[in-house]
Amino acid sequence: DAGVTQSPTHLIKTRGQQVTLRCSPKSGHDTVSWYQQALGQGPQFIFQYYEEEERQRGNFPDRFSGHQFPNYSSELNVNALLLGDSALYLCASSLGQAGSTQYFGPGTRLTVL
Amino acid sequence: AQSVAQPEDQVNVAEGNPLTVKCTYSVSGNPYLFWYVQYPNRGLQFLLKYITGDNLVKGSYGFEAEFNKSQTSFHLKKPSALVSDSALYFCAVRDVSGAGSYQLTFGKGTKLSVIP
Repeated sequence: DAGVTQSPTHLIKTRGQQVTLRCSPKSGHDTVSWYQQALGQGPQFIFQYYEEEERQRGNFPDRFSGHQFPNYSSELNVNALLLGDSALYLCASSLGQAGSTQYFGPGTRLTVL
Repeated sequence: AQSVAQPEDQVNVAEGNPLTVKCTYSVSGNPYLFWYVQYPNRGLQFLLKYITGDNLVKGSYGFEAEFNKSQTSFHLKKPSALVSDSALYFCAVRDVSGAGSYQLTFGKGTKLSVIP
């Protein structure tokens, strides 16, 4: 049973650039949520996608955007990167929006120089 | 708004001793509560959850947690700690009757060190 996968594992960008992170949900799951985990902090909710639409959003600026594809995979896009965007980006999947358990992928480590 | 507090940044326990990692929460409605574990340079691994029913919840690797509504707590416990339990532990809450009902809100994490 394939778990949540994310790519790439690591990424280095410079300020002002744009980045795209990718996530494939656990087999059978249809909902994807994205979280940002800064060093030494707990994950913070960015947004959730269900039925190819953004359903809920956390306290993140519009520079953070996403997409969900018909096969339930998802992308997180960040424009105009800032140094403060350096973090581990985690994708979580669940069955349905109200699915009680979110299962996390290994994350993408983004470093902004 | 929902929030989680993990009052201890670090917990040290000797191998074979019982361990407790503390968590308190605040929600306006009904909570779903979760514990996750994170090993270095890894994602979060689900341990256990409380949805409803029995206040004592059993999870993976011998961990359990007790939901206490009056104290708004959800402490993680294990009767006998192993060195391999050393990791970062996160408590999380969902307010299933609130506006942010689909998002998890996490505490800052507690680093557990089990000493051989």
